[in-house]
Amino acid sequence: QKEVEQDPGPLSVPEGAIVSLNCTYSNSAFQYFMWYRQYSRKGPELLMYTYSSGNKEDGRFTAQVDKSSKYISLFIRDSQPSDSATYLCAMSDRGSTLGRLYFGRGTQLTVWP
Amino acid sequence: KAGVTQTPRYLIKTRGQQVTLSCSPISGHRSVSWYQQTPGQGLQFLFEYFSETQRNKGNFPGRFSGRQFSNSRSEMNVSTLELGDSALYLCASGDGEDTIYFGEGSWLTVV
Repeated sequence: QKEVEQDPGPLSVPEGAIVSLNCTYSNSAFQYFMWYRQYSRKGPELLMYTYSSGNKEDGRFTAQVDKSSKYISLFIRDSQPSDSATYLCAMSDRGSTLGRLYFGRGTQLTVWP
Repeated sequence: KAGVTQTPRYLIKTRGQQVTLSCSPISGHRSVSWYQQTPGQGLQFLFEYFSETQRNKGNFPGRFSGRQFSNSRSEMNVSTLELGDSALYLCASGDGEDTIYFGEGSWLTVV
């Protein structure tokens, strides 16, 4: 069992829909949680970064962390065709290094006009 | 502020050859980490360097190595290339306080 599980999709929604992306994890030492967006043939781009349980909002994006359930989510409101990409969740125990992140496999999202 | 820069972007190598990939981190970042991304395995951690010292290493064979220079630039090397080494190699830099930021990657094809 991988330490971070993420449904690979693919997920296809119409423009304007609310998108929900989720990851579960098994390592209770994880303290930092991130969401990256990766367009085809590009590097991952940091979208959201959270430390504690609860919600964090940035524009159309909301990241949610529930440490008790070991579950994180990313919500995209009013989705746009430009949101079509692969979304990767990542987490870290911070330990001795912040550079080592544990990634989910990514969810491929398509938003059609 | 310039982002993480990786060179070369694309390269093709033959089995048995070696390859060196280069990474220039964001200005002021002292941490550089490397990842391998493949369709089958996703993103896998290779190693991390901080102030020229390797701080952590993933589960890759000794054919994969890296180093960091005093200006924080980093290189990774893969010797005796195998077909399975074909992948996107990603470099990320961080300031040790927040999270890490990725470059566009180097696409390696081994034939």
